[in-house]
Amino acid sequence: AQSVTQLDSQVPVFEEAPVELRCNYSSSVSVYLFWYVQYPNQGLQLLLKYLSGSTLVESINGFEAEFNKSQTSFHLSNPSVHISDTAEYFCAVLPSGSARQLTFGSGTQLTVLP
Amino acid sequence: DAGITQSPRHKVTETGTPVTLRCHQTENHRYMYWYRQDPGHGLRLIHYSYGVKDTDKGEVSDGYSVSRSKTEDFLLTLESATSSQTSVYFCAIRTGGATDGEQYFGPGTRLTVT
Repeated sequence: AQSVTQLDSQVPVFEEAPVELRCNYSSSVSVYLFWYVQYPNQGLQLLLKYLSGSTLVESINGFEAEFNKSQTSFHLSNPSVHISDTAEYFCAVLPSGSARQLTFGSGTQLTVLP
Repeated sequence: DAGITQSPRHKVTETGTPVTLRCHQTENHRYMYWYRQDPGHGLRLIHYSYGVKDTDKGEVSDGYSVSRSKTEDFLLTLESATSSQTSVYFCAIRTGGATDGEQYFGPGTRLTVT
């Protein structure tokens, strides 16, 4: 079985400041890793994913995440956030080679303050 | 948005009544999922389907049933709604292959059981 821990439920940060949202996972098999974002009153959207290859993956809106196998982490960061980045962010894992479901963390609410 | 719609978008019902939520996709993806989202829990899988009439249970399947008689429709039924089933329900589809496809989410259904 897999589990995902998002260490911070709420992260307030000022506009143009850097931010890191933490995600740690536990799994007995290799996994694929995902970050999803949920804007208010909307469904989840895929932000970025790690399947294989380079351990640093980037999204189109300034976020990036680094897969660290030894620390079983997949932290999400942004060097300069905008008001529009205010949303809830979910980390998720999927066992590689599995047709089953994603396991989600409990989410981190990022609030960007003016 | 991967052509996913959910209906109804909002519903209030009384304890003990049956409720059916519908998920419809337009792109003939094989895998479909039902999740519920509750504060502090992230998203948890209720049931999923890997083809017409092929379904399996997820993490929180008690009190729920599903049916998939057509590729495009995946129905979630609360057999006798309880207040603990008040939640936001999301449908998702998986694109690509069985083991490395991404999941895309519908807009959600907010269900309140009084």
